[in-house]
Amino acid sequence: SAVISQKPSRDICQRGTSLTIQCQVDSQVTMMFWYRQQPGQSLTLIATANQGSEATYESGFVIDKFPISRPNLTFSTLTVSNMSPEDSSIYLCSVVGGRHEQYFGPGTRLTVT
Amino acid sequence: AQSVTQPDIHITVSEGASLELRCNYSYGATPYLFWYVQSPGQGLQLLLKYFSGDTLVQGIKGFEAEFKMSQSSFNLRKPSVHWSDAAEYFCAVGTGGGNKLTFGTGTQLKVEL
Repeated sequence: SAVISQKPSRDICQRGTSLTIQCQVDSQVTMMFWYRQQPGQSLTLIATANQGSEATYESGFVIDKFPISRPNLTFSTLTVSNMSPEDSSIYLCSVVGGRHEQYFGPGTRLTVT
Repeated sequence: AQSVTQPDIHITVSEGASLELRCNYSYGATPYLFWYVQSPGQGLQLLLKYFSGDTLVQGIKGFEAEFKMSQSSFNLRKPSVHWSDAAEYFCAVGTGGGNKLTFGTGTQLKVEL
């Protein structure tokens, strides 16, 4: 299994600002994913981030709002831009290990005021 | 498009009683199926997965799940629940080679002592 850390673990931000979330993995992985979990809701895939290529966004998510970087095989960032209270969520990164097993980071709890 | 339905939002069981959490999926091909558990303030932990082969799969913490293609179901079971099993449980279907997960809305499990 992979050990994943995220920074920050939580933050309170003002509307209109941006926050960059970092995801660090203890081993090299090809595929990384970013999910959003809105309060009391399930997880929704935002995008797939593969090293060396542009992130692929799911329907309803756009690069201008959620730019993603993937500079190497152990690290990725997700930026939540021009935040509004509706962006208050837990943001999780995940990686795929052996046999399609997906491991999740602890999440970043974001509150936008 | 794929979807996952978890019809029970909340379930309460007594400690020591048996448990079954329901999951139905919709997907046009043979699915990759997963159960995850999320404890308060914790990240997601993989309980078990089904890719192919034996339709009864064993997972961690004494959980098992049975894949029934005819019913498009992947129900999670445990013969005797412990108070520490109180958490939220998510069923997910994997597409894109099993790597892109679509989650159900989750079932919140409460265990009465």
